[in-house]
Amino acid sequence: QVQLVQSGAEVKKPGASVKVSCKASGYTFTSYGISWVRQAPGQGLEWMGWISANNANTNYAQRLQGRVTMTTDTSTSTAYMELRSLRSDDTAVYYCARRWVTSADDAFDIWGQGTLVTVSS
Amino acid sequence: DIQMTQSPSSLSASVGDRVTITCRASQSISSYLNWYQQKPGKAPKLLIYAASSFQSGVPSRFSGSGSGTDFTLTISSLQPEDFATYYCQQSYSSPNTFGQGTKLEIK
Repeated sequence: QVQLVQSGAEVKKPGASVKVSCKASGYTFTSYGISWVRQAPGQGLEWMGWISANNANTNYAQRLQGRVTMTTDTSTSTAYMELRSLRSDDTAVYYCARRWVTSADDAFDIWGQGTLVTVSS
Repeated sequence: DIQMTQSPSSLSASVGDRVTITCRASQSISSYLNWYQQKPGKAPKLLIYAASSFQSGVPSRFSGSGSGTDFTLTISSLQPEDFATYYCQQSYSSPNTFGQGTKLEIK
């Protein structure tokens, strides 16, 4: 079945980097984009950006520009999100989601299970 | 950035009730509006896309309407499994902002 499986939880110190993976299966990876969304504890959803799995074009949230990099490996159908210079307020569950484009809209129709990233000294 | 404002932020209701959640955009987003349901400890689930189109497998008691700046999600007859948090999201322009969420609780 169509699914996205993410890497496991991470604990990092302030100033470090984290790289979360998101492995796709059950569909043609290069036919869709992958978006990344995070959720701080007890808070709402924050869109971080997305990457086209077809041509690797990216679009990042302005507030994360310079700290985030999204990449894909089409040989393994895996997307990656790296966040650098981690701060305590980057503690969150990070989700990848498939970006599904229709004639009328685009939406996130398949989600990974989430990866908890904890930033603590 | 387009701001998305949901109301109410929380809502208590009973099984069988009809419930409406509102989402307002800070500028016109045509019909580029999606609704998601999230249960505790789980990833969000797409319910409605393009303001009023059902995602496959979503029960027909869920419906969406609106265009421009004002949108609604209606649950016609609440079921026990519907108690969750609901988010709207605009895909009209980057960043694809979410509303702050509406937590639907059992009365």
